[in-house]
Amino acid sequence: AQKVTQAQTEISVVEKEDVTLDCVYETRDTTYYLFWYKQPPSGELVFLIRRNSFDEQNEISGRYSWNFQKSTSSFNFTITASQVVDSAVYFCALSSGGYQKVTFGTGTKLQVIP
Amino acid sequence: GAGVSQSPSNKVTEKGKDVELRCDPISGHTALYWYRQSLGQGLEFLIYFQGNSAPDKSGLPSDRFSAERTGGSVSTLTIQRTQQEDSAVYLCASSLGGQGRTEAFFGQGTRLTVV
Repeated sequence: AQKVTQAQTEISVVEKEDVTLDCVYETRDTTYYLFWYKQPPSGELVFLIRRNSFDEQNEISGRYSWNFQKSTSSFNFTITASQVVDSAVYFCALSSGGYQKVTFGTGTKLQVIP
Repeated sequence: GAGVSQSPSNKVTEKGKDVELRCDPISGHTALYWYRQSLGQGLEFLIYFQGNSAPDKSGLPSDRFSAERTGGSVSTLTIQRTQQEDSAVYLCASSLGGQGRTEAFFGQGTRLTVV
């Protein structure tokens, strides 16, 4: 079984603040993939990043960074100097197991206030 | 097409009627997913097709829900005898590989309203 928990349902920050979105996952498999998706108000989910279980190196892409820690089964997402355009629902997802379907967390709604 | 296409984009139906939702995945993608998203909620997994393997139907909420994928391409999600609680956005996604190695690309969804 696989499970993704995003404990933060809604977060509000003021523009230019940094914000971290938490993601905790559960799987019994040693090989798995983790994802983050963004769902802006328009509704269409947009892929942000994929990480496999063998690569714990953190990644930075512009204002976005991801911290993958197997020891705590977490894959947290940080937005630096947030902007209004970052307002969206962010989903963490996991794919593991023989069939490897993708399981999503319940999402974190981020509101960036100008 | 360039992306995942879903039709119709909106569907209003009367309680008790059957509906069919269509998904055209990206050409060459072997994996296809259906998810349901109720207002303000997360994504609820419904069904997963991977190549010629038997689909994973573990997320279908009741026997009123069924899906098929013809020729490894287009998929149809059918809801029989619709109920008001079926109202949601139904999202389809496809990916190049079914083992989570590549990201899933999502369609814009079909907003189903059961009145």
